[in-house]
Amino acid sequence: RKEVEQDPGPFNVPEGATVAFNCTYSNSASQSFFWYRQDCRKEPKLLMSVYSSGNEDGRFTAQLNRASQYISLLIRDSKLSDSATYLCVVAGSGSARQLTFGSGTQLTVLP
Amino acid sequence: GAVVSQHPSRVICKSGTSVKIECRSLDFQATTMFWYRQFPKQSLMLMATSNEGSKATYEQGVEKDKFLINHASLTLSTLTVTSAHPEDSSFYICSARDPAGGIETQYFGPGTRLLVL
Repeated sequence: RKEVEQDPGPFNVPEGATVAFNCTYSNSASQSFFWYRQDCRKEPKLLMSVYSSGNEDGRFTAQLNRASQYISLLIRDSKLSDSATYLCVVAGSGSARQLTFGSGTQLTVLP
Repeated sequence: GAVVSQHPSRVICKSGTSVKIECRSLDFQATTMFWYRQFPKQSLMLMATSNEGSKATYEQGVEKDKFLINHASLTLSTLTVTSAHPEDSSFYICSARDPAGGIETQYFGPGTRLLVL
């Protein structure tokens, strides 16, 4: 079983749609959680951290359920510029706090 | 935010040659840098953790004699792919941890695309 699992998609949605991505992780000792965004042939960039209380940043809302080991990302009012691959990322409990990446969910927002 | 550079951005080489990739933190000192590899349509896979002044820690399945890592200063880590083969063709990305940004904060370089013919 992969440490971090995501639905690979692709998700093709019209502009203005709401889209949700899910992610599960296997290591219950994981400490921190993130969503990164990766554009084609570019490096990943941090989109937002994910907290148990849930957090919102503009059109983006992230949620963490530690009991279910489940992370979600909701994008409201999708823009064309949201088209990218969204990576679910988990930081381990070791001293180096290494990041483990999911394989990503591809989103294409259509005009 | 903090800036990390990588050089070269892309390289094409013949099978059997060695390729060196540099990763620099431009405006902060990075005691820890990470090297990842990403094959097409796959996720980033951590290859090794590089600590300044000490030996790198390699992930399981990554050959330390093939992927030489040197972290000689607080702003520079290098990855050398020795005797490269076509199966080493991949997107190599480094990241650097900014101590001021929290233990999980990593800033990624723009990546190096390696093609081995």
